[in-house]
Amino acid sequence: ETVMTQSPATLSVSPGERDTLSCRASQSVSSNLAWYQQKPGQAPRLLIYGASARATGIPARFSGSGSGTEFTLTISSLQSEDFAVYYCQQYNNWPWTFGQGTKVEIK
Amino acid sequence: EVQLLESGGGLVQPGGSLRLSCAGSGFTFSNYAMSWVRQPPGKGLEWVSFISGSGDKTYYVDSVKGRFTISRDNSKNMLYVQMNSLRVEDTAVYYCARRGDYLESRGQGTLVTVSS
Repeated sequence: ETVMTQSPATLSVSPGERDTLSCRASQSVSSNLAWYQQKPGQAPRLLIYGASARATGIPARFSGSGSGTEFTLTISSLQSEDFAVYYCQQYNNWPWTFGQGTKVEIK
Repeated sequence: EVQLLESGGGLVQPGGSLRLSCAGSGFTFSNYAMSWVRQPPGKGLEWVSFISGSGDKTYYVDSVKGRFTISRDNSKNMLYVQMNSLRVEDTAVYYCARRGDYLESRGQGTLVTVSS
C-alpha cells in the first residue's frame, strides 16, 4: 500500500499570508494526486487533481505542483474561508490512499 | 447539476449487515465508475471500493474484502454496497462518489454505526 504523509500536521497562518502544504508518497504515484479541503461537518471538496489541475470553481489562489513522490499545495493569500483540513490522495496504486491531513488554523 | 444522495445508514450490531444505496442524477450514470469512500468520526478518509461504469470490474480495500460487495443498477442510476459481518471499526460516514479515481463529486454521506 502506498503511504501518503502530509506535513505539517497543523499550520497556523494569518489571513492574507501564503501557505504551503506538503505531501509525500512512499512510492511513485506519477501525477495521479488529488487535494481536498474539508470543513467541520462537511464532505471533502476537490481542489486539485492530476497534481496541478484545478477543479471546477476552485479559486486561482489554490495551486498544486509535484510529481513522483513529492507534492505541494499552495494557497497564495489565505482567506477566512480557507481555514480547514486539507488531504492529499493518490490514485496511481490500488488501493487509493489519503494522507492524514493538515489542519490550517488561524494564527 | 450532479447530485448524489446516499441512504441506508444506521445503527447495527457487530456481525450484522447493512445495505447502502446511492441515487445519482444530473449525469449519464453508466458513463462513470462509482465509488464508496468512508470517514470514521474525527478521523481521516479511506477509499473503500469502486466499480466500473458497466459494473464488470470491482475493487476493494483489503479491510473490507470478502465482507462488502459493491454493485450498481444503471437502469435506475443506483449504486449500492452490501456490508456484511460488520465490525466496530466499520463505523464511519460513507460517501458515494462519482469516478473511481478521485472524488470529483460526492454526496453528503450516510452514517453507519456498528455498536452493541
